[in-house]
Amino acid sequence: EAQVTQNPRYLITVTGKKLTVTCSQNMNHEYMSWYRQDPGLGLRQIYYSMNVEVTDKGDVPEGYKVSRKEKRNFPLILESPSPNQTSLYFCASSPRTSPSGYTFGSGTRLTVV
Amino acid sequence: DQQVKQNSPSLSVQEGRISILNCDYTNSMFDYFLWYKKYPAEGPTFLISISSIKDKNEDGRFTVFLNKSAKHLSLHIVPSQPGDSAVYFCAASDGGGTSYGKLTFGQGTILTVHP
Repeated sequence: EAQVTQNPRYLITVTGKKLTVTCSQNMNHEYMSWYRQDPGLGLRQIYYSMNVEVTDKGDVPEGYKVSRKEKRNFPLILESPSPNQTSLYFCASSPRTSPSGYTFGSGTRLTVV
Repeated sequence: DQQVKQNSPSLSVQEGRISILNCDYTNSMFDYFLWYKKYPAEGPTFLISISSIKDKNEDGRFTVFLNKSAKHLSLHIVPSQPGDSAVYFCAASDGGGTSYGKLTFGQGTILTVHP
């Protein structure tokens, strides 16, 4: 089944403890992206990647890192999480040309205490 | 600075009636627009899109209208069904209708369709 898989689905962590949210897609898509969803703010793009080793900042990149060493994987790294990074995170992927934009994963609910 | 705005946080309609969801944008470089639908505990899923060279696109019960001069688009659902109850997001891209590296979303509108 064609899909974007994120892990974990739920995560509670403490301030300052480094964490990684994994994302993998099995559709051979060139583009991958991370979004966060917050009440009243909708979906905001954190980072995106247009191919292996090619990444660019979205609208809210502060406090996050990404890497794209392989085409299928696009992990999101929070090196020193803070409570304001408590949010619902979505990974997404897309082929280079697509009339339907991104295919999204099911989300990761992160709580930083 | 929110470049894509959905000013109605929620909308409630009766089953069988029309639902109209609105979206405004400020960036004149946007040339491709999409609507996504999101159910709880799931990721957003693509619904319908429109290129800036068109002013209307239809797909079954869903129609999207684009008014470039007003920088406004709307999604019409006719007839509305209870299964349409979800959060609807408007999104925009300046990638020429093909590139979605940078896809900007609005705040979302919660649609509730009552039986």
